Amino acid sequence: KAGVTQTPRYLIKTRGQQVTLSCSPISGHRSVSWYQQTPGQGLQFLFEYFSETQRNKGNFPGRFSGRQFSNSRSEMNVSTLELGDSALYLCASSLRQQGPYNEQFFGPGTRLTVL
Amino acid sequence: DQQVKQNSPSLSVQEGRISILNCDYTNSMFDYFLWYKKYPAEGPTFLISISSIKDKNEDGRFTVFLNKSAKHLSLHIVPSQPGDSAVYFCAGMDSNYQLIWGAGTKLIIKP
Repeated sequence: KAGVTQTPRYLIKTRGQQVTLSCSPISGHRSVSWYQQTPGQGLQFLFEYFSETQRNKGNFPGRFSGRQFSNSRSEMNVSTLELGDSALYLCASSLRQQGPYNEQFFGPGTRLTVL
Repeated sequence: DQQVKQNSPSLSVQEGRISILNCDYTNSMFDYFLWYKKYPAEGPTFLISISSIKDKNEDGRFTVFLNKSAKHLSLHIVPSQPGDSAVYFCAGMDSNYQLIWGAGTKLIIKP
């Protein structure tokens, strides 16, 4: 079974630009979560989508948005990029329904650098 | 506020010895705790978990201990192997089934 894929793997943008990252979950997984990882900060939860609906949202500004398509693929968009947005963006998929924990499977991440 | 803290950014252990990674949390409502391992250029992979109603869970060389009164959990790796060198994250699951992550501890296993 193919794992979680993320594209692109690396991205360089300048301040003020916008960016879209893509995530394809494991086949059959309907939950997709996005995280931002910066050195010393661990993984900061951005949002989770399940069946095309945003189910949970972290404490990030409105410049960060996402969506999920009917095939469970998800995109994340960051508008008006700031230097502090430079990070590794990780996507994770799971079978998760509301209930006991289901393991999250992570993609390799997209490394975003904002100059 | 950081609900999950891993106070040691890095840890160096001799091959064959025990590695102990620590994690503290502040949210007494966490139902579940998990440990993930991350190699460079890869996403984190699930390692082991423990329910809040237990105090110990073991899987091969990996054992997680939970001390609810101290709001502390630890991951023991015995014996440590070179392939264990990675960044280890602990996470707590809140009532919304959302994972709250620590900052990670980089484990270095010396030959």
